[in-house]
Amino acid sequence: EIVMTQSPATLSVSPGERATLSCRASQSVGSNLAWYQQKPGQAPRLLIYGASTRATGIPARFSGSASGTEFTLIISSLQSEDFAVYYCQHYNGWPPYSFGQGTKLEIK
Amino acid sequence: EAQLVESGGGLVQPGGSLRLSCVASGFTFSSYGMHWVRQAPGKGLEYVSAISSNGGSTYYANSVKGRFTISRDNTKKTLYLEMGSLRADDLAVYYCAKDLTGNANYYMDVWGKGTTVTVSS
Repeated sequence: EIVMTQSPATLSVSPGERATLSCRASQSVGSNLAWYQQKPGQAPRLLIYGASTRATGIPARFSGSASGTEFTLIISSLQSEDFAVYYCQHYNGWPPYSFGQGTKLEIK
Repeated sequence: EAQLVESGGGLVQPGGSLRLSCVASGFTFSSYGMHWVRQAPGKGLEYVSAISSNGGSTYYANSVKGRFTISRDNTKKTLYLEMGSLRADDLAVYYCAKDLTGNANYYMDVWGKGTTVTVSS
């Protein structure tokens, strides 16, 4: 089973600043990596798929990248609506697909 | 607009059973794989199960294998999760989600709002 590890668990950033979230896979998942955003009381929302492709309607300030088994989500200039929990998930091979434990992005 | 609406959650005793449903609209349900994902209170997302578009392939997390059964009725545009031998650690919000493809081996692009399962005596 592939284990996804996210860091940090909590990230405190001021509005307008840049946030960098990390996700590491325990083995190769290629580019089969998605990022989801979840706000309190809401369902997750797809942000990024294929490690770096923004989903429909996602602002350009969200970007994803990959280097081997290391994946990064960058939010270039934080808006108030971006403070949420972010999860990575691989979809390599066949299910079940594991999620990372999440990074809570909070206002500094 | 694609939408998913879950139902069937509620309070059940340990060892009991429950069936969750997820009704789809706004897309051709029979063409897409589907997933169930759950979230315990205050915890992260946990993958539960998946099913291909025609129901011919099903997948389960180890934590639910042998206790839960995923199925679908394409004529009713409905996804199901039959949950048996329920335990306290099954307490969670259960989300259904649509796969990008028919094989249920991609990411989830549409999510329902979830239904809550409480396991308690």
